[in-house]
Amino acid sequence: GAGVSQSPSNKVTEKGKDVELRCDPISGHTALYWYRQSLGQGLEFLIYFQGNSAPDKSGLPSDRFSAERTGGSVSTLTIQRTQQEDSAVYLCASSFKGSRRSEQFFGPGTRLTVL
Amino acid sequence: SQELEQSPQSLIVQEGKNLTINCTSSKTLYGLYWYKQKYGEGLIFLMMLQKGGEEKSHEKITAKLDEKKQQSSLHITASQPSHAGIYLCGADFTGTASKLTFGTGTRLQVTL
Repeated sequence: GAGVSQSPSNKVTEKGKDVELRCDPISGHTALYWYRQSLGQGLEFLIYFQGNSAPDKSGLPSDRFSAERTGGSVSTLTIQRTQQEDSAVYLCASSFKGSRRSEQFFGPGTRLTVL
Repeated sequence: SQELEQSPQSLIVQEGKNLTINCTSSKTLYGLYWYKQKYGEGLIFLMMLQKGGEEKSHEKITAKLDEKKQQSSLHITASQPSHAGIYLCGADFTGTASKLTFGTGTRLQVTL
């Protein structure tokens, strides 16, 4: 497809389990972003990739959260030992480059529910 | 984020009516992005504003950024049911658009 895709669309897991969320950015987009959207906090920035490196990880809430990007394309967000407060919609976005003029195109998100 | 406030939180308007959504920043913006979100979907990019006093329009939606680059408004003329959704403003405070800080959103309902 032409847009940003994310998988799975929904994920239900038990507290303490690890989860992996995947993002396929728009082809050719060099910048990739992860955000989290929850009822209490709104839409929060997590991490930004330029190519395969992450110059800004300031939004990751704890060391249980990590992300990687390979081949300048697909990215995986991993949450270890999930907690109930991790329940949220995780959104991925990509842009052509991390410049001032580049709008971010968002995927449909992964809804994570931690029981 | 307290850095970015949106108002109103929700809005119900009758079809055909005009409406305005506001986004106010506690500090100067490098850029302001407007997005629309429907349930179960990602954010759809509407417009980006960078210069003080800038105004952009697309179909029936107009966005403005004030001269001080701390306040933006989104105006919808002659609203339609298709305009319903959540409108979010996102601020670039870094100058690189490497991350956006979003407002809490405005939920718009358009009644027939």
